[in-house]
Amino acid sequence: ETGVTQTPRHLVMGMTNKKSLKCEQHLGHNAMYWYKQSAKKPLELMFVYSLEERVENNSVPSRFSPECPNSSHLFLHLHTLQPEDSALYLCASSQDGLAYEQYFGPGTRLTVT
Amino acid sequence: AQSVSQHNHHVILSEAASLELGCNYSYGGTVNLFWYVQYPGQHLQLLLKYFSGDPLVKGIKGFEAEFIKSKFSFNLRKPSVQWSDTAEYFCAPRSVDSNYQLIWGAGTKLIIKP
Repeated sequence: ETGVTQTPRHLVMGMTNKKSLKCEQHLGHNAMYWYKQSAKKPLELMFVYSLEERVENNSVPSRFSPECPNSSHLFLHLHTLQPEDSALYLCASSQDGLAYEQYFGPGTRLTVT
Repeated sequence: AQSVSQHNHHVILSEAASLELGCNYSYGGTVNLFWYVQYPGQHLQLLLKYFSGDPLVKGIKGFEAEFIKSKFSFNLRKPSVQWSDTAEYFCAPRSVDSNYQLIWGAGTKLIIKP
């Protein structure tokens, strides 16, 4: 059982919809991450929050908007997505610092129609 | 630019065969090294990691990896695989210049035939 939960597990949305993905970590970590996992491509880091401040933003289109209200919760707000945004979106958390590995949630399988 | 190469995208083995999955990275500085595994329908989980010290590290489920600095490699090994090792394996180095940015390989899908 993972200490990082994600909801929903599956999401189908049209290109004009607005939806949000939610991530919660129960590990007492202070850094949280959003990744995109597409078939046959390496994991793409999208956003990183440390102590609720965004510290990485890897050239992600503005149709993806992250929010980190506290160190346990992370959201990814989605609007006017494109079909190529269909992928598995993974949330991860870690302690801040070099000595720590990331712990992953099960992901949200997003399909944009 | 930093990059990582996993040599095989798909590997098929019979049970009890020995496994070695290759991982090479391009970065001249100090790195931390990770192998993650994703079993079918499950989340990514850490298999093993290397930070410093003995370059031969042991992980869960009988896996080990050897860091060879001169070859920029961190190959994953298991002497005798089981059907339950069927999964996708990811190598992910991280520069010590960055707390957060893992450099992910494309993954190797391992299928073990019973």
